[in-house]
Amino acid sequence: GQQVMQIPQYQHVQEGEDFTTYCNSSTTLSNIQWYKQRPGGHPVFLIQLVKSGEVKKQKRLTFQFGEAKKNSSLHITATQTTDVGTYFCAGPGGSNSGYALNFGKGTSLLVTP
Amino acid sequence: NAGVTQTPKFRILKIGQSMTLQCTQDMNHNYMYWYRQDPGMGLKLIYYSVGAGITDKGEVPNGYNVSRSTTEDFPLRLELAAPSQTSVYFCASSPLGAGIQYFGAGTRLSVL
Repeated sequence: GQQVMQIPQYQHVQEGEDFTTYCNSSTTLSNIQWYKQRPGGHPVFLIQLVKSGEVKKQKRLTFQFGEAKKNSSLHITATQTTDVGTYFCAGPGGSNSGYALNFGKGTSLLVTP
Repeated sequence: NAGVTQTPKFRILKIGQSMTLQCTQDMNHNYMYWYRQDPGMGLKLIYYSVGAGITDKGEVPNGYNVSRSTTEDFPLRLELAAPSQTSVYFCASSPLGAGIQYFGAGTRLSVL
């Protein structure tokens, strides 16, 4: 079945440094979604990418979807302490799983002031 | 608009006890899901439902059961709790297949 892998597993940065997490799927995706989970919280939707090569920005966050629609990345410019949390990428499974999301294991970001 | 509501937030069970985790959504979404999250891991699908009266197993269904009698409610039943079921449980809903999912706040369960 579809597997979604993320690297790195952990990242510790100084406030103001940049951060990037990478996501790879074993199969071509119809879309890829990114979620953020704060410590002790629940996953919260950030963005959905649908088109091959798509790039979307949300303030300091830049999301990319690969040309083959099998990989994606999230880049944060000039991290802030409010960016702390775990970032998950997820790709929808097929109709045989109700299109449930297959999540990567996430990248936990720690930002030191 | 409450979104997805899960109860209880925390629970401690003894081995062999049973309980029901409640999940209610007020967004009229057809698709609902139960995931479990273990430390350092992503979320794994337990059960899903594509509409009232329709449920099916996900990746890790053993030891769990679900029902979907209404669009709003999707309870998860744990029978004969085991320590391996210690986890955080999230319910999610979506208006579309492969669409954005909205998560509840989670139920943190310990089985001792």
